Amino acid sequence: DAGVIQSPRHEVTEMGQEVTLRCKPISGHNSLFWYRQTMMRGLELLIYFNNNVPIDDSGMPEDRFSAKMPNASFSTLKIQPSEPRDSAVYFCASSPGTSDTRDTQYFGPGTRLTVL
Amino acid sequence: AQSVTQLGSHVSVSEGALVLLRCNYSSSVPPYLFWYVQYPNQGLQLLLKYTSAATLVKGINGFEAEFKKSETSFHLTKPSAHMSDAAEYFCAVSHSGGYQKVTFGTGTKLQVIP
Repeated sequence: DAGVIQSPRHEVTEMGQEVTLRCKPISGHNSLFWYRQTMMRGLELLIYFNNNVPIDDSGMPEDRFSAKMPNASFSTLKIQPSEPRDSAVYFCASSPGTSDTRDTQYFGPGTRLTVL
Repeated sequence: AQSVTQLGSHVSVSEGALVLLRCNYSSSVPPYLFWYVQYPNQGLQLLLKYTSAATLVKGINGFEAEFKKSETSFHLTKPSAHMSDAAEYFCAVSHSGGYQKVTFGTGTKLQVIP
């Protein structure tokens, strides 16, 4: 299995631009998570999908952030407009279960976003 | 509310020495506890997890952790550090009862000195 695939691995953009991060979860996994990792705030859950439906988006910072999961094999996280404080590493993770939080989460390699 | 506290953001050990990474949790209900490891420029991967079975949990790469309810702790240990153990380690907590998100600690960077 290829694991969780994220693209791009690195993104450098200017303030005000739209940024789209992409994720392909492990085939057969029902749950998908988007996290943000920064030195100041550590690892934060942004949004959680189960069977393509957003279940918990309480971690989405503000309206500039949006996430979609149009099908079981693809998800996007969009920031529009981007700001320098959005600079972070964004991880996508998937897990096989439904709402069972004993399940192991499998993380992708992350996208390092730099907003100038 | 649930949370974990990792004591020490940086830990240094000599190669061959005992590794001890500390994690204390707070949860109003019986928790599920996890240790994840993150190597440079990679995502997190599971080392081990406690889900209310045996209190001593063995994981990959020779790591183990013991759930101690009386101390609300879930410390990670390895008898003999190897250079390849240098990484950042995250403790995490969740619990049963419908959807409950996994809450991660702030991480501990382990340095192994030759």
